[in-house]
Amino acid sequence: EPEVTQTPSHQVTQMGQEVILRCVPISNHLYFYWYRQILGQKVEFLVSFYNNEISEKSEIFDDQFSVERPDGSNFTLKIRSTKLEDSAMYFCASTPRRDNTGELFFGEGSRLTVL
Amino acid sequence: AQTVTQSQPEMSVQEAETVTLSCTYDTSESNYYLFWYKQPPSRQMILVIRQEAYKQQNATENRFSVNFQKAAKSFSLKISDSQLGDTAMYFCAHRTSYGKLTFGQGTILTVHP
Repeated sequence: EPEVTQTPSHQVTQMGQEVILRCVPISNHLYFYWYRQILGQKVEFLVSFYNNEISEKSEIFDDQFSVERPDGSNFTLKIRSTKLEDSAMYFCASTPRRDNTGELFFGEGSRLTVL
Repeated sequence: AQTVTQSQPEMSVQEAETVTLSCTYDTSESNYYLFWYKQPPSRQMILVIRQEAYKQQNATENRFSVNFQKAAKSFSLKISDSQLGDTAMYFCAHRTSYGKLTFGQGTILTVHP
């Protein structure tokens, strides 16, 4: 069964360093999302992406964050200068349709630890 | 803006018993989807059940069923014959017509043997 894959599963970085989290969405999906979950807290929307541009972003998604789809398969989240509060689990998700008839398919997450 | 509220931070149930997790939401849209996701210790988000707002019939998936009250904006999850493997964090979620999923705070469910 097709699935969303994310790498790395866990990354430890120093405060101020740049981090890139990678996602490979399901191949026929058109809409892509990043979510964040700080340990023990709710899952928060960061950004949605369609047709090579951001569709919607939350207030969390400030200038330190960026997303791109550099080729036909990868969807990346970059954090330019990490802060301690960026430590969280980051989930990528994709869906074949933009309307509300489709399920979001989630990857297993990338845990980011900022020291 | 859409909001989803889960008022039960933690719940526990004995194996084979039934438990109900509560969820309320707020939206200005007339058509939307509601979901329950399960997040076990492995941390992956697993879809448990979904409900289309325009369908009056409550969704059912094996031991999982929902009580969808559209007027009250309530969407509770009932787990029958609870199993040890049901132990997880459960998130209620609402999906807008533009595809953004909004999650509640989560309910930690513990099934005791």
